[in-house]
Amino acid sequence: EVQLVESGGGLVQPGGSLRLSCVASGFTFSDHDMDWVRQAPGKGLEWVGRIRNKANGHTTEYAASVKGRFTFSRDDSKNSLYLQMNSLKTEDAAVYYCSRNPGSGSISDYWGQGTLVTVSS
Amino acid sequence: DIQMTQSPSTLSASVGDRVTITCRASQSLSSSLAWYQQKPGKAPKLLIYKASSLESGVPSRFSGSGSGTEFTLTISSLQPDDFATYHCQQYKSYPFTFGGGTKVEIK
Repeated sequence: EVQLVESGGGLVQPGGSLRLSCVASGFTFSDHDMDWVRQAPGKGLEWVGRIRNKANGHTTEYAASVKGRFTFSRDDSKNSLYLQMNSLKTEDAAVYYCSRNPGSGSISDYWGQGTLVTVSS
Repeated sequence: DIQMTQSPSTLSASVGDRVTITCRASQSLSSSLAWYQQKPGKAPKLLIYKASSLESGVPSRFSGSGSGTEFTLTISSLQPDDFATYHCQQYKSYPFTFGGGTKVEIK
């Protein structure tokens, strides 16, 4: 069974940093591109970005709103995905989801349960 | 960036109703559009990809159509489990973008 479990959310002050993790199981993690998607309270979904699979060199794509502040990484040996968030702004407050791309089409077929990031002084 | 506009933002319907949600793109997507269902406090669930392909395990009352810039999600006979928020997403080009969501409420 495919499972994605995020962790690392919490309360951080504006300008601060936070690192989210997503641990995958039930599939060959290294074969799949992985996305981060966020949802501010009461708002719609916002695609944050993608880190590609091993075959594609773990290259990344970022939404303009986070480029230069957020960094994606992964450790395929640990089936883990990471989101390093720096220079956090109040508008970054959201539930952050990791999701799996199945490999055919750039969709998200499995999602984690999400982890809440609150940015407030 | 490709802008996605969903309508309506809220829809009130009864069990058994046929429901249609529209998603319009600011430029052609060909068929690179997905639909997700989301219930409160839960992660989105993939329903439709490539505009009209039903994800495995999704009931056949859900269907998607369209290409280019206009797409629809149809629920042929609304069931109690279908009251949720529905999101479209384009994956034609980066950055991928979502519509604003359509909340389907009980009438």
